[in-house]
Amino acid sequence: AQKITQTQPGMFVQEKEAVTLDCTYDTSDQSYGLFWYKQPSSGEMIFLIYQGSYDEQNATEGRYSLNFQKARKSANLVISASQLGDSAMYFCAALAYSGGYQKVTFGTGTKLQVIP
Amino acid sequence: GAVVSQHPSWVICKSGTSVKIECRSLDFQATTMFWYRQFPKQSLMLMATSNEGSKATYEQGVEKDKFLINHASLTLSTLTVTSAHPEDSSFYICSARYRAREANYGYTFGSGTRLTVV
Repeated sequence: AQKITQTQPGMFVQEKEAVTLDCTYDTSDQSYGLFWYKQPSSGEMIFLIYQGSYDEQNATEGRYSLNFQKARKSANLVISASQLGDSAMYFCAALAYSGGYQKVTFGTGTKLQVIP
Repeated sequence: GAVVSQHPSWVICKSGTSVKIECRSLDFQATTMFWYRQFPKQSLMLMATSNEGSKATYEQGVEKDKFLINHASLTLSTLTVTSAHPEDSSFYICSARYRAREANYGYTFGSGTRLTVV
């Protein structure tokens, strides 16, 4: 079984500042992937960044970087130079292949609000 | 915590047949259910939003006659892919919104269904 924990229901950040959104995971699978999604008010889930469990380097995508600490089972998302358009819900998710099928588990989300 | 059970986890069906995917909220009432489809690059496209007892609201470009969504009760929503074709092969995920404390909302997700149409 997999479990994703996001302990921050809501966060505020000043525009242009960096912010870290926490995510810890618990899985018994050896091979898995970790994702971050952004959900604006439209409801769409926008893929931001992916980290494979065997990737040794932290993933980066533009202003997004994933602070992957495998021993701690954490996959925090760092957003640098926050913009007003970053205000949204953010979900951490884990994807694993178990018993021949694919399974995804999402965290409960963090609502980020960027302050001008 | 709020848990959504999604079944089946994977299904293989023949072209032309219909497949039903269920999402059931186990310990809460899901006032709103969202259905997503996963596309390359791992994006999840919102297909439709359904509120209990009313017709689903489909996103632009999603065929409502092909992807039938039923939200007959506060604990069950279903997505039926009718006359499935290979291009419908994808990963489908449901998400339920529920009322959390102090009038805020929480979201919980099903574990997904891998549909393969042959």
